[in-house]
Amino acid sequence: GNSVTQMEGPVTLSEEAFLTINCTYTATGYPSLFWYVQYPGEGLQLLLKATKADDKGSNKGFEATYRKETTSFHLEKGSVQVSDSAVYFCALRIGTYKYIFGTGTRLKVLA
Amino acid sequence: DAGVIQSPRHEVTEMGQEVTLRCKPISGHDYLFWYRQTMMRGLELLIYFNNNVPIDDSGMPEDRFSAKMPNASFSTLKIQPSEPRDSAVYFCASSSPGAVGNTIYFGEGSWLTVV
Repeated sequence: GNSVTQMEGPVTLSEEAFLTINCTYTATGYPSLFWYVQYPGEGLQLLLKATKADDKGSNKGFEATYRKETTSFHLEKGSVQVSDSAVYFCALRIGTYKYIFGTGTRLKVLA
Repeated sequence: DAGVIQSPRHEVTEMGQEVTLRCKPISGHDYLFWYRQTMMRGLELLIYFNNNVPIDDSGMPEDRFSAKMPNASFSTLKIQPSEPRDSAVYFCASSSPGAVGNTIYFGEGSWLTVV
């Protein structure tokens, strides 16, 4: 079946630390991959996406590369800020609109 | 452009009462989704519509839940009667083939507490 597995949180980092949130997937066919971010009290917002193997999605200093050989889409940021504290969701899309979300990883950045 | 608009933002109701959640999708989007988010189960797709027609309601938990989309700019999710285990955040989202990469856009959610 189709599924997304992401690392359990919470992840607690100091400001300016390097961030990695792991995400692996299982899918039939060739899914598109996404990272969404949810700030406290808000809905999910698209952070970045990649639609085919070896694509790199990037936004706001975050980036993730679609690795077909390892079925992974790990989220990275070189220097996190307190304002990056949020819950991050990895997701895949099969076909046009069937999205499958991971369980979310809470990130807490301390000043 | 206005985003997906949901109401109410917060609802506290007593067990057994009817709850109606409302959603206005982004203008021009012809797909509308209802999701439920809980700590235990994460984000679950309940139902989605295309051009106001329900396409997949396999995620609707039971007959107490119903969703309608009477026109392109409005949808409701109704729970009758409500139970404490329905307490969750309910998100509406919309999309269209014209949206960049078929991205779905989420509303801010309706936070439901059933006591």
